Amino acid sequence: GESVGLHLPTLSVQEGDNSIINCAYSNSASDYFIWYKQESGKGPQFIIDIRSNMDKRQGQRVTVLLNKTVKHLSLQIAATQPGDSAVYFCAENRSRTGFQKLVFGTGTRLLVSP
Amino acid sequence: DVKVTQSSRYLVKRTGEKVFLECVQDMDHENMFWYRQDPGLGLRLIYFSYDVKMKEKGDIPEGYSVSREKKERFSLILESASTNQTSMYLCASSGDRNEQFFGPGTRLTVL
Repeated sequence: GESVGLHLPTLSVQEGDNSIINCAYSNSASDYFIWYKQESGKGPQFIIDIRSNMDKRQGQRVTVLLNKTVKHLSLQIAATQPGDSAVYFCAENRSRTGFQKLVFGTGTRLLVSP
Repeated sequence: DVKVTQSSRYLVKRTGEKVFLECVQDMDHENMFWYRQDPGLGLRLIYFSYDVKMKEKGDIPEGYSVSREKKERFSLILESASTNQTSMYLCASSGDRNEQFFGPGTRLTVL
C-alpha cells in the first residue's frame, strides 16, 4: 500500500543499471527463502525462491544468491527497468513441526529513474 | 494462475464494530494465511489454517479470530475493532510448495 514504504531503506538506480538488494536473515535453520515484489496498492508477488542446499538460482533477469555462512541473501536485477520500481521483501521459511512459516523482512524500496 | 481475492480493497469502520475480512482462493490450496502489514514492521502473521476447520495462531493473534468452513475461503474477524487495528491486511494461500500467493490486500481504517 501507499504507506508501506515510509520507513524503508531505499535503493535508487538508473534505468539499465544492475540492482542488488540485500537481506540478512537470523535463523541458521531456515531452509527456504523467497523474494517478493510489492507494487504500490498491490499484494506481494513472488519473484524467485531458493532452497538452502543451493547458493545461487537464476530466473529471468533476476538472480538470488545465498550465503549461509553469514546468513545473507541478495537479489540481483539485471538491466533494471522503471517497471521494477517497487518494495522488495525477502522471506525465510522457519518450519515448525514441518509446517511452513514464512518470516518476512521489512523490505527495501527500489526506485528506478528513466 | 493462482488467484487470491479479498472482499474489499478499502474499508472504514468505527471503534467497537465487528469486522469481517473475506479471502477466497481458486487453486484448491490446503494452507491459508492472514497477515497485517505496517510501516517499519513488515508482514506479521495473525492466523493460519492448514485444513478446513483447522486454525493456528500466528505471531499476533490478539484481537482477531478466524473461520475456515470451506477449503477455498478463510475469514478474518475483528470482534471489536480498535484504532490500533488500522492496517493493511493481506491474505495468502499455498499448496505443497512453500511459496505463498497473496491477495491484493484490504486497507482497513478504524476511526
